[in-house]
Amino acid sequence: IAGITQAPTSQILAAGRRMTLRCTQDMRHNAMYWYRQDLGLGLRLIHYSNTAGTTGKGEVPDGYSVSRANTDDFPLTLASAVPSQTSVYFCASSELAGVYNEQFFGPGTRLTVL
Amino acid sequence: DQQVKQNSPSLSVQEGRISILNCDYTNSMFDYFLWYKKYPAEGPTFLISISSIKDKNEDGRFTVFLNKSAKHLSLHIVPSQPGDSAVYFCAAATNDYKLSFGAGTTVTVRA
Repeated sequence: IAGITQAPTSQILAAGRRMTLRCTQDMRHNAMYWYRQDLGLGLRLIHYSNTAGTTGKGEVPDGYSVSRANTDDFPLTLASAVPSQTSVYFCASSELAGVYNEQFFGPGTRLTVL
Repeated sequence: DQQVKQNSPSLSVQEGRISILNCDYTNSMFDYFLWYKKYPAEGPTFLISISSIKDKNEDGRFTVFLNKSAKHLSLHIVPSQPGDSAVYFCAAATNDYKLSFGAGTTVTVRA
C-alpha cells in the first residue's frame, strides 16, 4: 500500500522555469491538499481540492496552480518559478473534506529555485 | 501573521521523563486542535486532536490539554522514548477546510 507518492523527491530549478510537482494517492480519498513548509513558519496551505473536479485557494496560492481531473492525482504547477518558492512541498489527502478528517501526508518534494 | 505559535523551537528531554510541548493561538474562532509528528525525510503524521468542547484528550502516552481562556494548548508525552525524537507541529482550525500550523518544536530524547 503506497498511500501518497510525490515526485520528484527533490529538484533544483532555474528561476523562470515551469515546474509541475506530482502527487498521487491510492486511498480513494476525496480531498487533497498542497502545503509548503518553510523554516520558522510551519506548513502553509497553498491549494486544496474537496473532490475531483473542484479546487480552492489556501493561505499562499500566488504563483501556484492546481488541477484535479480525477480522484487520485493532484499536480501542483509553478508557471514561472521564483527563488521565494524554494521550499519543501507536501501533498496530503483525507477521506472527506474538512479538518475533522485526518490528513495523510506524502514524503515531500524539496524544491530549490536558483 | 501567524495565528498559531510554538515559541520553543527545540526541547531536549531524558528518556523516561515527561516532554511538554506548548502552543499558543490568537484566533478565538479556532475550535479544533491537532498535533502532528514529523520524522526527517517523511511527511507529518497525525498524533492526537482535541475539540474546543473538551479540555483534555488522552491517547496512550500522549495527552493534549486545552486552555481556551488562555488560548493555549500543550502536548504531554509520558514517558518519553527515543522514538519520540521528531518535530512536533501544533495545528488549529475553524469549521472550514483549512489547518493553520505552528512552526514546529524539535524534540530530542536523550538515552
